[in-house]
Amino acid sequence: GAVVSQHPSRVICKSGTSVKIECRSLDFQATTMFWYRQFPKQSLMLMATSNEGSKATYEQGVEKDKFLINHASLTLSTLTVTSAHPEDSSFYICSARQQGSGNTIYFGEGSWLTVV
Amino acid sequence: LAKTTQPISMDSYEGQEVNITCSHNNIATNDYITWYQQFPSQGPRFIIQGYKTKVTNEVASLFIPADRKSSTLSLPRVSLSDTAVYYCLVGDRPGDSSYKLIFGSGTRLLVRP
Repeated sequence: GAVVSQHPSRVICKSGTSVKIECRSLDFQATTMFWYRQFPKQSLMLMATSNEGSKATYEQGVEKDKFLINHASLTLSTLTVTSAHPEDSSFYICSARQQGSGNTIYFGEGSWLTVV
Repeated sequence: LAKTTQPISMDSYEGQEVNITCSHNNIATNDYITWYQQFPSQGPRFIIQGYKTKVTNEVASLFIPADRKSSTLSLPRVSLSDTAVYYCLVGDRPGDSSYKLIFGSGTRLLVRP
């Protein structure tokens, strides 16, 4: 199947700083990517839908100024957590829709963010 | 988007067949049913997708009755490595630009030796 890669897989940052997580579709083009957050023992929560070349669409309750999403190319979307706080510590997962081939959505490996 | 209801958890033993049923009473005409598997600290992995009747691939089978208000994921002869969380999702037209995956609570499957 298609491969979606996230980087970094784990990151620790200090409160008040910003951290960027990258999501890449390695062997296909993805006009649409999605960002999720998952707390331990809970399900995935959709944060936003990222469309190449346009502004991201955020789900209700997700602060767009805190979670900056950029989808500058057909293979890369980034999530920047700004002014991070300990409560932002979570598992962040991206996914990408493969154009054609049934438009299957593939997920990245996820990125653990710990804010200290 | 149709809401889904699954059992919170299930136990099984190696070699058994496991059937996980998902209810989606409000499924719309254009909705597809998709199942994903997730291991701890990993992203979900696509298992199978269907619209009606039965779909089978090398990993699982998906049974969808005529009214499509429920679906059953069937895992043949499970092994310890099938211990994971299984999510049932319902959404309209995978090829549609507005299509997105909304996850419910999922089913935690524990396979015992």
